[in-house]
Amino acid sequence: DTEVTQTPKHLVMGMTNKKSLKCEQHMGHRAMYWYKQKAKKPPELMFVYSYEKLSINESVPSRFSPECPNSSLLNLHLHALQPEDSALYLCASSLKDQRGGGEQFFGPGTRLTVL
Amino acid sequence: GNSVTQMEGPVTLSEEAFLTINCTYTATGYPSLFWYVQYPGEGLQLLLKATKADDKGSNKGFEATYRKETTSFHLEKGSVQVSDSAVYFCALTPLLVKIIFGKGTRLHILP
Repeated sequence: DTEVTQTPKHLVMGMTNKKSLKCEQHMGHRAMYWYKQKAKKPPELMFVYSYEKLSINESVPSRFSPECPNSSLLNLHLHALQPEDSALYLCASSLKDQRGGGEQFFGPGTRLTVL
Repeated sequence: GNSVTQMEGPVTLSEEAFLTINCTYTATGYPSLFWYVQYPGEGLQLLLKATKADDKGSNKGFEATYRKETTSFHLEKGSVQVSDSAVYFCALTPLLVKIIFGKGTRLHILP
């Protein structure tokens, strides 16, 4: 299994809703990432988990809350989002954390729309 | 600092044309270099990589050579297809620093 899966593919939520994005990989990778991508822009790093511990938080607002229940799963909990948070949310994984210089494998993303 | 500069798009070519997308970088140390491709409505896929100077990465007819003397990693393909239409991101990962993406180049191939 050489892929990263993400669910749901699309999500529409109101500003008062609570929802979660899920990411899964079975490649034995020990680093997992959340990125936010706006249209026509490169991905922006949000969080990095290394060996199931949060190692990097790129000053992301607290309405985004990551969780890594085990080495294969990564969640992003969403609460009280704003319309400007609408974007493609990408999950990625790598054999070791990005400071090791290896390539990252990306999932297909969740297209989030906040009304 | 570390940065990636790639040519602005969109780039529009006819099918079977030769493709070059320029990418230059600044980095401390000896970074690994990557090209990622993003097809419409999808996530990023690793297209090719090179980990040291003079390495050539290749995949699906695409090639790029790690040129330390010119700090470049230009993407080339000899004959493009309509299915190559996508956004291409040049990226580098310096040791101890997070991955750095270029702004992306949108490629349109006309039949």
